[in-house]
Amino acid sequence: QKEVEQDPGPLSVPEGAIVSLNCTYSNSAFQYFMWYRQYSRKGPELLMYTYSSGNKEDGRFTAQVDKSSKYISLFIRDSQPSDSATYLCAMSEGDTGRRALTFGSGTRLQVQP
Amino acid sequence: GAGVSQSPSNKVTEKGKDVELRCDPISGHTALYWYRQSLGQGLEFLIYFQGNSAPDKSGLPSDRFSAERTGGSVSTLTIQRTQQEDSAVYLCASSLGGQFWTQHFGDGTRLSIL
Repeated sequence: QKEVEQDPGPLSVPEGAIVSLNCTYSNSAFQYFMWYRQYSRKGPELLMYTYSSGNKEDGRFTAQVDKSSKYISLFIRDSQPSDSATYLCAMSEGDTGRRALTFGSGTRLQVQP
Repeated sequence: GAGVSQSPSNKVTEKGKDVELRCDPISGHTALYWYRQSLGQGLEFLIYFQGNSAPDKSGLPSDRFSAERTGGSVSTLTIQRTQQEDSAVYLCASSLGGQFWTQHFGDGTRLSIL
């Protein structure tokens, strides 16, 4: 079983919808949680990062971390066709462990105009 | 440019050949990471360099894989005696010092082994 599980999708929504993307994980040592967006044939682009549990908002994006459930989410409000991409969650143990990122397999999102 | 630069962008080679992939990190970023992205395995960590510290090689899949970082800047990932299962996109990322939570990625080298 992988350390980080992510539904591969594809997820198709109409423009303006609220999108919910999720990951679950098994390693309780993960302390840092990131969301990346990746367009076709491009490198991942960091959207947001969160330390430990809690919520963080940046414009149309909200990240949530629930360490007790080992579950993280990314919400996209007022989705746009330009949001169509693959979304990757990533996690790190941080300074007390392994700094390199462990990624989910990615969820493909398609926002229909 | 201001971003992470990788070359070549595409590489096709025959099984058994050696390949070298190059990464030029963002200026001033002392941490550099290599990852591999393949259809079956997703994005996997390979190796991590931080300043003058010994690199974290724990993700290298076999001794055919090696990497070096010269002068604390440019890095080269070498794959010897390539196998078909080495076909993947090899991604490099860099970050400021210990800020591993803000890794900036290049667009990768797409490696195809015939």
